[in-house]
Amino acid sequence: QQQVKQSPQSLIVQKGGISIINCAYENTAFDYFPWYQQFPGKGPALLIAIRPDVSEKKEGRFTISFNKSAKQFSLHIMDSQPGDSATYFCAANKAAGNKLTFGGGTRVLVKP
Amino acid sequence: ETGVTQSPTHLIKTRGQQVTLRCSSQSGHNTVSWYQQALGQGPQFIFQYYREEENGRGNFPPRFSGLQFPNYSSELNVNALELDDSALYLCASSLAHSDEQYFGPGTRLTVT
Repeated sequence: QQQVKQSPQSLIVQKGGISIINCAYENTAFDYFPWYQQFPGKGPALLIAIRPDVSEKKEGRFTISFNKSAKQFSLHIMDSQPGDSATYFCAANKAAGNKLTFGGGTRVLVKP
Repeated sequence: ETGVTQSPTHLIKTRGQQVTLRCSSQSGHNTVSWYQQALGQGPQFIFQYYREEENGRGNFPPRFSGLQFPNYSSELNVNALELDDSALYLCASSLAHSDEQYFGPGTRLTVT
């Protein structure tokens, strides 16, 4: 059972454009929703995270939008740069939980 | 402050052999989680260790086992290796009862 579904699988965006990645979850017990960025040969790096009590969180060029009723959340990368080219993973965890459940990942390529 | 470190970086084993992977948690972090990341997929939770005891386990067979030491470092042991065990093994550290998990660079295991 895939509890967190991520789309699209891959994305090509021009430099300066907006990258949008979407995730949907099934388990209403999930209480924490982080996004990770992973470069080839590296471990995932925590980018930004949100809890269901807010609908949006922004850190620099990265914004999470959260829709609790639809059980969906998304990552927006504003002013995308070639250095943003990486694989992005959404994830979810229960309150005081110990297990991150990851989406399948989105490969983002930012063309100069 | 030192980040999460893992060793070795990569290794090659033969089917049926046993392997031990090592992880040192980020300074001050007392909880360690292990994940398996197959090529092109999101990480899958194996188990978590807190206070030197297993604190939750994912859908992995008993031949996957672990240890945590008093200095919070951890080992992942896999017995009777199978070809499907070929993956990137990631260690993540966190503070107890904190949602934020920080990943190491991973160990690339190839089983032939």
